[in-house]
Amino acid sequence: DIVMTQSPDSLTVSLGERATINCKSSQSILFSSENKNYLAWYRQTPGQPPKLLIYWASTRGSGVPDRFSGSGSGTDFTLTISSLQAEDVAVYYCQQYYNAPPTFGGGTKVEI
Amino acid sequence: QVQLVQSGPEVKKPGASVKVSCKASGYIISNTDISWVRQAPGQGLEWLGWISSENGNMDYARSVQGRVTVTTDTSTSTAYMELRGLRSDDTAIYFCARGVRGGPNDVFDLWGQGTMVTVSS
Repeated sequence: DIVMTQSPDSLTVSLGERATINCKSSQSILFSSENKNYLAWYRQTPGQPPKLLIYWASTRGSGVPDRFSGSGSGTDFTLTISSLQAEDVAVYYCQQYYNAPPTFGGGTKVEI
Repeated sequence: QVQLVQSGPEVKKPGASVKVSCKASGYIISNTDISWVRQAPGQGLEWLGWISSENGNMDYARSVQGRVTVTTDTSTSTAYMELRGLRSDDTAIYFCARGVRGGPNDVFDLWGQGTMVTVSS
């Protein structure tokens, strides 16, 4: 199985400031012939299910604000929240869907 | 409104079985694959299994292989996940999730609200 490792485990950011979360896969999740990275990001607020933010490493999901952006390729990826809002206090997960089983990172808790 | 609505919380004894339902509304469940994901208290996300909308194929995580079955009833637009031989470490919130692309290795754009399953003697 592909192992997804996130860092940091938690971070504290002021409202309006930038938050950066990293995710590393144990093998490349770039499908070369398509030039697509099979990487998604989710946000989970307390008591709620995860919400899809980003897929194909950098494509925002439906209705996702443009303060969320994804980057990276191969094995190293980043989720950036450009200007943290109160509703962004949550745990963020990366997930690979290159191979079955799909696997998730351990999560990064973002606090204010 | 497009949503997945899951059944209510369950409390089971070790060795028992649980069956969690996931009803789709606002779209036709047979048009998309469904996966099941669980989250132990205070922990991360673990994919458990998948069923294909196209041909009914299934795939399961090794951690629950042999104890889990996922099914769909297209007449009621409902998916089910049954887990047998429950152990204390099966205590978790169980989510159903809609796959975007198809196949067990998928990205999930719609999630149920979650069902808490507690295993305790």
